[in-house]
Amino acid sequence: AQTVTQSQPEMSVQEAETVTLSCTYDTSENNYYLFWYKQPPSRQMILVIRQEAYKQQNATENRFSVNFQKAAKSFSLKISDSQLGDTAMYFCAFMTYFGNEKLTFGTGTRLTIIP
Amino acid sequence: DVKVTQSSRYLVKRTGEKVFLECVQDMDHENMFWYRQDPGLGLRLIYFSYDVKMKEKGDIPEGYSVSREKKERFSLILESASTNQTSMYLCASSFRGGKTDTQYFGPGTRLTVL
Repeated sequence: AQTVTQSQPEMSVQEAETVTLSCTYDTSENNYYLFWYKQPPSRQMILVIRQEAYKQQNATENRFSVNFQKAAKSFSLKISDSQLGDTAMYFCAFMTYFGNEKLTFGTGTRLTIIP
Repeated sequence: DVKVTQSSRYLVKRTGEKVFLECVQDMDHENMFWYRQDPGLGLRLIYFSYDVKMKEKGDIPEGYSVSREKKERFSLILESASTNQTSMYLCASSFRGGKTDTQYFGPGTRLTVL
């Protein structure tokens, strides 16, 4: 079974600064998918960024980028030029390459952007 | 835009009551999921369905059942609600075979069992 660990329950950062959220996972598989989801206060969960394990290049979406270290089983999320709207719970998630399409989530990091 | 709707945002029930949580999606997704979200535990999968009338247990199915009679609708049933089922319940849907496609989430139902 796969497990996903987010070791930072809460973080806060000043607006416009850069912040990195950590995620590690455990799997015996070689091919899989990794995701970061964002859940703003009282709003729906949305996808931030995704990474296929067979791709060496780190995924980037505007101000969001990941540092994917396959050997270390690490998948951190970097938010550059943080904005007030980035305040949210962030969840790291894992999906196997084969089999059913269910996600295994970490416990989440509550990120607060301070004006 | 994909829309996943849930029947209630807030629900208060009494211990022993039968509770129905409804989820509807409008994008013809094959996969539908029910999660439970608790502080410090993240999201845990209760049940999922990859087709009408098909269901599979997730990580914490005890005390829950599901029903999927139509493709767009996935119901979570608490046969006899207990206080330890007080939680936020999230529904999600996705295309089958779309591994890198996102799951689309509903707004959640915050259930309190007294």
